[in-house]
Amino acid sequence: DGGITQSPKYLFRKEGQNVTLSCEQNLNHDAMYWYRQDPGQGLRLIYYSQIVNDFQKGDIAEGYSVSREKKESFPLTVTSAQKNPTAFYLCASSTTKVNTEAFFGQGTRLTVV
Amino acid sequence: EDKVVQSPLSLVVHEGDTVTLNCSYEVTNFRSLLWYKQEKKAPTFLFMLTSSGIEKKSGRLSSILDKKELFSILNITATQTGDSAVYLCAVSRGSTLGRLYFGRGTQLTVWP
Repeated sequence: DGGITQSPKYLFRKEGQNVTLSCEQNLNHDAMYWYRQDPGQGLRLIYYSQIVNDFQKGDIAEGYSVSREKKESFPLTVTSAQKNPTAFYLCASSTTKVNTEAFFGQGTRLTVV
Repeated sequence: EDKVVQSPLSLVVHEGDTVTLNCSYEVTNFRSLLWYKQEKKAPTFLFMLTSSGIEKKSGRLSSILDKKELFSILNITATQTGDSAVYLCAVSRGSTLGRLYFGRGTQLTVWP
């Protein structure tokens, strides 16, 4: 089955630790995205990548880093510089054609204690 | 600054009611408007609208876009408890294909 897999579903980390969230897709999509969702908020874009070995900052990139070494994979690292990392993180992918929809993974809920 | 604004933010209805969710937008180089349903985790795609005045329908759900007035509505008729979810509106721009700009969502609760 084609889709997007995020892991883990739940993650607990101590304050000050870096943590990496995994996102893998087998849809053969060129573009991948990381969004953050807080209660009562919409999805805010952290980083996106439209091609391997290239990525751009979204609206709230501070305290996060990404890599895109393979087409299928787009891991997100939440660093200790992120002031308020507790949130729900969604990964998505799409083609880069005009008028394309994004497909989402099931999300990772990160709680920093 | 690009904006996507949804209203209402929260709505509680009884089964069988009809609801209308609103989405207005202000973005440069508009390409399409998308509606997603988010029940617990992953948003699932409902509709993509690119042309004004053409209604998209899927069962009890329908949506229409007005590109002149820069808004869209999502209608749900004969609501069921399974329609309870957050409904997200998103807009794409021509300059950044695939990237979506989201509103805050409307939390719909349907009581039996």
